[in-house]
Amino acid sequence: KAGVTQTPRYLIKTRGQQVTLSCSPISGHRSVSWYQQTPGQGLQFLFEYFSETQRNKGNFPGRFSGRQFSNSRSEMNVSTLELGDSALYLCASSVRTSGMYSGANVLTFGAGSRLTVL
Amino acid sequence: AQTVTQSQPEMSVQEAETVTLSCTYDTSESDYYLFWYKQPPSRQMILVIRQEAYKQQNATENRFSVNFQKAAKSFSLKISDSQLGDAAMYFCAYRRGATNKLIFGTGTLLAVQP
Repeated sequence: KAGVTQTPRYLIKTRGQQVTLSCSPISGHRSVSWYQQTPGQGLQFLFEYFSETQRNKGNFPGRFSGRQFSNSRSEMNVSTLELGDSALYLCASSVRTSGMYSGANVLTFGAGSRLTVL
Repeated sequence: AQTVTQSQPEMSVQEAETVTLSCTYDTSESDYYLFWYKQPPSRQMILVIRQEAYKQQNATENRFSVNFQKAAKSFSLKISDSQLGDAAMYFCAYRRGATNKLIFGTGTLLAVQP
């Protein structure tokens, strides 16, 4: 069974540009969550999608957005990049979403997309 | 707001020895779950062990076990018979029962000495 696949693995952008990251969940998983990992702020929750709907959102500016497609694949977009957006962006998939019986839910993470903003 | 605290930025253990990583959390919720994730240099976050708050019995997964003290809001991870492959950053994480949002601690970098 294939794991969570994130593309691209590495990318370099300059300030002011925008970037789109992709995440393909494990087959059968319909929930996709995104996290940002930086040395200064650690791991922070960005948002969660289920059935093409955003179910939960972290405390990030509107420059950070996402979407989910009917096949459960998800993309996140960061517009007007800032130096502080340099981070490892992790995607995680799970069977259930927030509000459903999440008790047994386990998040499986991808290897991440390393974004460097110059 | 819920918080997770890992007070040990770095730990070191000899191969085959036992090490305990500490984690405390703060919540007013009664329905929640606690996790330990491992992040090796490859950066892939791997689930090590999970504990349901409503279960009094401590979770165990092979060489990994937890000491869950609900009243003290403490959730430590014990690694027995440490192996070189255990070297990684370990994150403690909290999830409220009805959400998929994980709140992570700052991590403990574990080194395993041969």
